[in-house]
Amino acid sequence: EVQLLESGGGLVQPGGSLRLSCVGSGFSFSNFAMSWVRQAPGKGLEWVSTISISGSSTYYADSVKGRFTISRDNSKSTLYVHMNNVRAEDTAIYYCAKANSASQYGKLDYWGQGSLVIVSS
Amino acid sequence: EIVMTQSPATLSVSPGERATLSCRASHTVRDNLAWYQHKPGQAPRLLIYDASTRATGIPARFSGSGSGSEFTLTISSLQSEDFAIYYCQQYDSWPPLTFGGGTKVDIK
Repeated sequence: EVQLLESGGGLVQPGGSLRLSCVGSGFSFSNFAMSWVRQAPGKGLEWVSTISISGSSTYYADSVKGRFTISRDNSKSTLYVHMNNVRAEDTAIYYCAKANSASQYGKLDYWGQGSLVIVSS
Repeated sequence: EIVMTQSPATLSVSPGERATLSCRASHTVRDNLAWYQHKPGQAPRLLIYDASTRATGIPARFSGSGSGSEFTLTISSLQSEDFAIYYCQQYDSWPPLTFGGGTKVDIK
């Protein structure tokens, strides 16, 4: 059974930093692109970032470019997002999601339960 | 950026009835479109990809159609577990991957 488990969320002050992790199991983690998608309170889903299987290619939404860094450790089956200089508008539930192939990055076939990030002073 | 627009925002349906949800893209996305179901406190679930292909384990009452810029998700006979928010998402031209604003299907 495919499972994705996020962790690392919590309360962070504006301008602060936070790192979210997502551990994958039940599939060969190193063979699939991975993404982060978020949902702000009362809002819909918003794509944040995607990383290729090797980590050599990364993609970001304009709203987080230059502040967030996506990475992965295939030896640990773990996806990360480092969030720097966070803003109130980054408050959201952050989901990690698995692409359904190494090359088809956009079809997200499994998602985690999410990790809540609250940016507030 | 391709903008995805879903309608209606809310759809009130009785159990056993048919539900039809619409999704429009600002530019053609060919058939590179997915539908997701999302319930509060749960992980989103992939229902349909490539506009009309059901994902693994998805019941046959869910079907997707359309291509280019107009798409439809149909739930043929709503079950109690189908009341949720549904999102369409394009993956034809990215970054960014873009989602529609969602359609909430609630009980009439």
